[in-house]
Amino acid sequence: DTAVSQTPKYLVTQMGNDKSIKCEQNLGHDTMYWYKQDSKKFLKIMFSYNNKELIINETVPNRFSPKSPDKAHLNLHINSLELGDSAVYFCASSQVALSGREQYFGPGTRLTVT
Amino acid sequence: AQSVAQPEDQVNVAEGNPLTVKCTYSVSGNPYLFWYVQYPNRGLQFLLKYITGDNLVKGSYGFEAEFNKSQTSFHLKKPSALVSDSALYFCAVRDQAGTALIFGKGTTLSVSS
Repeated sequence: DTAVSQTPKYLVTQMGNDKSIKCEQNLGHDTMYWYKQDSKKFLKIMFSYNNKELIINETVPNRFSPKSPDKAHLNLHINSLELGDSAVYFCASSQVALSGREQYFGPGTRLTVT
Repeated sequence: AQSVAQPEDQVNVAEGNPLTVKCTYSVSGNPYLFWYVQYPNRGLQFLLKYITGDNLVKGSYGFEAEFNKSQTSFHLKKPSALVSDSALYFCAVRDQAGTALIFGKGTTLSVSS
């Protein structure tokens, strides 16, 4: 069974559209994250959710909004897509309550905005 | 602020030779350090971590890392490289809030046969 899954794997869309990426983890972890990997492979944290509460919100545009219906899911909604949003988006999860726990990553969603 | 640096964009080694991928860190407080590997078109896979204890940490696929507090380094090592080790390697440190990871820019390891 896949520990952290994301859908879709590939997403091609036009500027101005609104899209969502879904993430699910079956590890029973209490915290989930979204990371962005740009074309130079730099990885940067975007959001994390702990027990349905946003605990990190880096300086990302407010066009990006995380939605967590429950502990096992953290979806990423993106409004008014721009060319610069093209990247690979990774979902991850961990058990933060246990200090030093590693994060488990999903396979990524490659978003291409045309 | 927490940060990690990977000074090499690419490391080239011949199969069977030892490999080292370098990482240095800058943190406030005790460092929680991680190594991840990313194969082409795949997600990140956890290799190993240092939280406390022995300075030599052993991880997956025969990799190990040496924590050196005086040099603020956490270099990834393997005694004998395989062609299948060719991938992108990331060093990371836990942020001050204790949740997210701050990644280095990554080092591409290329192992030739």
